[in-house]
Amino acid sequence: AQKVTQAQTEISVVEKEDVTLDCVYETRDTTYYLFWYKQPPSGELVFLIRRNSFDEQNEISGRYSWNFQKSTSSFNFTITASQVVDSAVYFCALSEAWGNDMRFGAGTRLTVKP
Amino acid sequence: KAGVTQTPRYLIKTRGQQVTLSCSPISGHRSVSWYQQTPGQGLQFLFEYFSETQRNKGNFPGRFSGRQFSNSRSEMNVSTLELGDSALYLCASREDSFTDTQYFGPGTRLTVL
Repeated sequence: AQKVTQAQTEISVVEKEDVTLDCVYETRDTTYYLFWYKQPPSGELVFLIRRNSFDEQNEISGRYSWNFQKSTSSFNFTITASQVVDSAVYFCALSEAWGNDMRFGAGTRLTVKP
Repeated sequence: KAGVTQTPRYLIKTRGQQVTLSCSPISGHRSVSWYQQTPGQGLQFLFEYFSETQRNKGNFPGRFSGRQFSNSRSEMNVSTLELGDSALYLCASREDSFTDTQYFGPGTRLTVL
């Protein structure tokens, strides 16, 4: 069965620090998709990135970067030079190609202090 | 394109009542999924509708039901409300298959007293 673990419940950093959010997943499928979503206090889940299981290239988008390692079943998310606006709950999620639903991790609450 | 919209944004009901929540997907998206988010259980999948048919269902009791209309708009209904149904209900839409990215609406905050 599919499972997503975000071991860090809460992280607090000071503005401009770099921070990495961990995500470990379990699946028996060889074809699957990994996602990161951001949930600000307003409640809406904002899509950040999607990665399929055959593409292990790391990705960078501005201050955000993602490290996908199949060998350790991890899909970690790094924010460089964090800003107060990055404060939110971040969710990692997994969809199997022939699965039924998207499975979310428990989320990591990131607080960036000025 | 406009994003996913959900109405109402906030609801207060009492135990035993029923409630209907509405979701309008992104234009062109045929799949709508519903999720329940609570502090204790996190984000849990309720069900998915595609082309007016329930394509997928999570582990929720029959009190939770939904439907989808020909314009892809979806409604979710909860009957005989319980205190534990208090949650943020999120709707997500995607174009077609399971592999497409889901885009979420702002949610409906339901409080059951």
